[in-house]
Amino acid sequence: KAGVTQTPRYLIKTRGQQVTLSCSPISGHRSVSWYQQTPGQGLQFLFEYFSETQRNKGNFPGRFSGRQFSNSRSEMNVSTLELGDSALYLCASREGSNYGYTFGSGTRLTVV
Amino acid sequence: DQQVKQNSPSLSVQEGRISILNCDYTNSMFDYFLWYKKYPAEGPTFLISISSIKDKNEDGRFTVFLNKSAKHLSLHIVPSQPGDSAVYFCAASGGDTPLVFGKGTRLSVIA
Repeated sequence: KAGVTQTPRYLIKTRGQQVTLSCSPISGHRSVSWYQQTPGQGLQFLFEYFSETQRNKGNFPGRFSGRQFSNSRSEMNVSTLELGDSALYLCASREGSNYGYTFGSGTRLTVV
Repeated sequence: DQQVKQNSPSLSVQEGRISILNCDYTNSMFDYFLWYKKYPAEGPTFLISISSIKDKNEDGRFTVFLNKSAKHLSLHIVPSQPGDSAVYFCAASGGDTPLVFGKGTRLSVIA
């Protein structure tokens, strides 16, 4: 079984630009979540999608948005990038509740 | 407000000895707990989990203990190996809620 695939692996953007990150979950997993990791802050939850519906949302500004497609693939978008958005963005999928997440390798976003 | 806390940012242990990583939580609705291991520039890798109906779960060198009354869990690694050096994250969830992670503990196993 292929793992969770995130593209691109690395990205450099300028302040004010927008960015779209992509995630393909494990086949059969309908739940996809996104996390932001910054030094010293651990993994901060962004949002979770299940069957194309946003099921949970973390405490991030509206500049952060996401969506899930009918094939369970997900994208997240960050508009009007700020320097503080530089982080490792992790996507994870799971079969259902009370199952652990399987994470992708992440997208390292650097905003300059 | 941190619902999952790992109070030790780092831990150093001699190879062959026991590593004990601790985690506290505040939300009594959490009923499923996991430990993840993370190397730099990679996503976290699932290590071991425990449901609230148990107080102990073992998998090879890794054992997780859960004390529900104290809202505390710990991960024991015996014997510790240099390849165990990584950042360990504790995570918790309840029902359909997303996983809530602690800030991690960096384990260094010294040969």
